[in-house]
Amino acid sequence: NAGVTQTPKFRILKIGQSMTLQCTQDMNHNYMYWYRQDPGMGLKLIYYSVGAGITDKGEVPNGYNVSRSTTEDFPLRLELAAPSQTSVYFCASSYQGAPSNYFGPGTRLTVL
Amino acid sequence: QKEVEQNSGPLSVPEGAIASLNCTYSDRGSQSFFWYRQYSGKSPELIMSIYSNGDKEDGRFTAQLNKASQYVSLLIRDSQPSDSATYLCAVKGLRNSGNTPLVFGKGTRLSVIA
Repeated sequence: NAGVTQTPKFRILKIGQSMTLQCTQDMNHNYMYWYRQDPGMGLKLIYYSVGAGITDKGEVPNGYNVSRSTTEDFPLRLELAAPSQTSVYFCASSYQGAPSNYFGPGTRLTVL
Repeated sequence: QKEVEQNSGPLSVPEGAIASLNCTYSDRGSQSFFWYRQYSGKSPELIMSIYSNGDKEDGRFTAQLNKASQYVSLLIRDSQPSDSATYLCAVKGLRNSGNTPLVFGKGTRLSVIA
């Protein structure tokens, strides 16, 4: 199993540009999550999904959108990039009710 | 607003000593508690979970939970330089519609000095 994979690893965006961060898991987990981590800070939940077709907002959803058309994929969309979205983005997955999240390697995004 | 509080550190301990990491949480309904280790530039990895009051030991790691005080801690015995990392406390609650996602603290940076 590859686990949770994320692409790209690094990206620099200009203000106002848009992009999609990709996340795929091959463990048949029904729960998937997007977190952001600013320097010296913990993880903040952006969006999560409990299954295909179901998504819900986390703590910091503004400026982001998600979709979940399949169990495997959970892309995160930034429509109008802003400097405040400069961060490291982690995707994670888990079984329903499972105590832990399996994390992807992260995407380091810089908005200039 | 559910909050998880940790001292950001850095916490410096000599090699071979016991490192003690602490975490408090605001939601009394929290059911599950986790410690993650995160090396610089890497993703978090789960190292301990605890669900009931008391101590839980796994190798050199001991997690301690006191729900009445809303306090959870992680002890690392015989600390090694390889334990130098940021330790994230995470708390999970339960609501009627299903499980809630994890809420993370900001993390405590641990430095083990050889």
